Amino acid sequence: DGGITQSPKYLFRKEGQNVTLSCEQNLNHDAMYWYRQDPGQGLRLIYYSQIVNDFQKGDIAEGYSVSREKKESFPLTVTSAQKNPTAFYLCASATGYTEAFFGQGTRLTVV
Amino acid sequence: EDKVVQSPLSLVVHEGDTVTLNCSYEVTNFRSLLWYKQEKKAPTFLFMLTSSGIEKKSGRLSSILDKKELFSILNITATQTGDSAIYLCAVAASYNPLPGGSEKLVFGKGMKLTVNP
Repeated sequence: DGGITQSPKYLFRKEGQNVTLSCEQNLNHDAMYWYRQDPGQGLRLIYYSQIVNDFQKGDIAEGYSVSREKKESFPLTVTSAQKNPTAFYLCASATGYTEAFFGQGTRLTVV
Repeated sequence: EDKVVQSPLSLVVHEGDTVTLNCSYEVTNFRSLLWYKQEKKAPTFLFMLTSSGIEKKSGRLSSILDKKELFSILNITATQTGDSAIYLCAVAASYNPLPGGSEKLVFGKGMKLTVNP
């Protein structure tokens, strides 16, 4: 089945640690996105990528980093520089001319 | 800076009511406007609008885009408790104006709809 997979579903991080959220898609989509969602809020764009080895900062990129070494994969690293990382993280992919497809999300909690 | 504004941000109605959700936008190099419904985790796609004045319809939901006034509305008629969700509006904007150029998706804050029995 084609789709977009995020892992893990739940992640706990100690303060000062870096963590990496996985996002994989087998839809052959060029574009991939990372969003952050806080309770009762919409989606805020962290990073996006249109092609391999290229990505752009979104509105709230500080404290985050990404890579796009393969078309299928767009991992997000939440660094210790992100002061308020507890949130729900959504990854999406799109062809650019159709709707974006979302993964099931990762809920990150700082303990 | 690209901006998508949804209103109202929350709404509580009774079953059977009709609701109208608004989405206005200011983006450079507009490509399309999309509506999503988010119930628990992943948003699910409702509509994609690219042309002004052409209504898209799916059951009790319909949506229309006005590219001159830069807004879209999503209508839900005869609401049901299952319509309770966050409704997200997003705009696809090109950051590379060449044909086939790259684009990004910018979301509004979402509108929380609660339908009471």
